[in-house]
Amino acid sequence: KQEVTQIPAALSVPEGENLVLNCSFTDSAIYNLQWFRQDPGKGLTSLLLIQSSQREQTSGRLNASLDKSSGRSTLYIAASQPGDSATYLCAGSYNDYKLSFGAGTTVTVRA
Amino acid sequence: NAGVTQTPKFQVLKTGQSMTLQCAQDMNHEYMSWYRQDPGMGLRLIHYSVGAGITDQGEVPNGYNVSRSTTEDFPLRLLSAAPSQTSVYFCASSYSRHMNTEAFFGQGTRLTVV
Repeated sequence: KQEVTQIPAALSVPEGENLVLNCSFTDSAIYNLQWFRQDPGKGLTSLLLIQSSQREQTSGRLNASLDKSSGRSTLYIAASQPGDSATYLCAGSYNDYKLSFGAGTTVTVRA
Repeated sequence: NAGVTQTPKFQVLKTGQSMTLQCAQDMNHEYMSWYRQDPGMGLRLIHYSVGAGITDQGEVPNGYNVSRSTTEDFPLRLLSAAPSQTSVYFCASSYSRHMNTEAFFGQGTRLTVV
């Protein structure tokens, strides 16, 4: 069974600080890993998708890395802003037609 | 571009009632799925479909039925609602059936069973 873990469950930082969000997975035969953002009462928005053959992906202030050998992915958000406050979820895809989600890290960026 | 549209957004049911949660996507995606999200448990897959006429069970299928008669629509039916089905339900779609492309999610349906 593929398990995805996100620690910590919650994180609070002052505005301007860089955010580092961690995701670990038990099965290294991962097809890809996606990072999502979820605002309260809303759906999930895909932020970055990293294929198993890639080491990282970047989009604006966001950078995500993937290390299959250690079973880890990290999402970096540079120069955090209050608008970055949300829950961030990672999800691994294996060859079985589903995403295995972590429970998420809830981020609060203090102005 | 509407993306993935779910209706209704909120619903209250009495135990034993049945209902259908609607999901439609306008991106011509092969793959569609239903998840439920519960506090402390993350998202769990209920059912999925890799194309019109093809459906399969996920992790928590009991009490739910699905069908996929068209590429665009993937409704989720609750047969006889139970309080344990109180949850937030999300529909998702992806271009590729192998989930190696970006997943798009609807805004969710918040269901309460009393």
